[in-house]
Amino acid sequence: QPVLTQPPSVSGAPGQSVTISCTGTSSNIGAPYDVHWYRQLPGTAPQLLIHANNNRPSGVPDRFFGSKSGASASLAISGLQPEDESDYYCQSYDYSLGGYVFGTGTKVTVL
Amino acid sequence: QVTLKESGPALVKPTQTLTLTCTVSGFSLTSTGVRMSWIRQPPGKALEWLARVDWDDDKYYTTSLKTRLTVSKDTSKNQVVLTMTNMDPADTATYYCARIYSRTSDWHFDLWGRGTLVTVSS
Repeated sequence: QPVLTQPPSVSGAPGQSVTISCTGTSSNIGAPYDVHWYRQLPGTAPQLLIHANNNRPSGVPDRFFGSKSGASASLAISGLQPEDESDYYCQSYDYSLGGYVFGTGTKVTVL
Repeated sequence: QVTLKESGPALVKPTQTLTLTCTVSGFSLTSTGVRMSWIRQPPGKALEWLARVDWDDDKYYTTSLKTRLTVSKDTSKNQVVLTMTNMDPADTATYYCARIYSRTSDWHFDLWGRGTLVTVSS
């Protein structure tokens, strides 16, 4: 049902880097609409991590980097830390659906 | 303090109508540019946007559930209300209220409530 496709899981050792992809279509990310990223710890509400493709809200460390190209986007996490273990979702807008769309979600595991 | 708080029944029976309320604190729903949404998340699954209501009472719904959803505002109480008819076990989810930040092409959810879990079961 989610419109945007993400890998189910990615993992890395502390200090390493991981990248989460978010693949859309010409009616959403490729339209082009901005991509936003949220982090969600178990049992809690999603929290904004990146907005408008590559902008970090105040308080989000610069270890998190967003990018977008064509109909895809990516979230890179460098210097992986144990507290980065979480679920991550991308989000955009889809004009053919007339609404906001989310990704399938990616679980990040710190080994 | 700017907060959103969802409330409603934790358990509903199949075919019943669900009514959820989002109580807004710290800003007014009638202020120009305020846009509010409902988003849900079935256990272990992804987020799904449901509906949006704007400060000027414009309303938008996800296509797949449009016939079952109604979103509204109670400006006297500064609350956003979502009703969903003909509930089904597949509608079991945590329902979130969220505020939309909008500027040029940047439309994202900048403020979320803690969510309320609704289980549909007989």
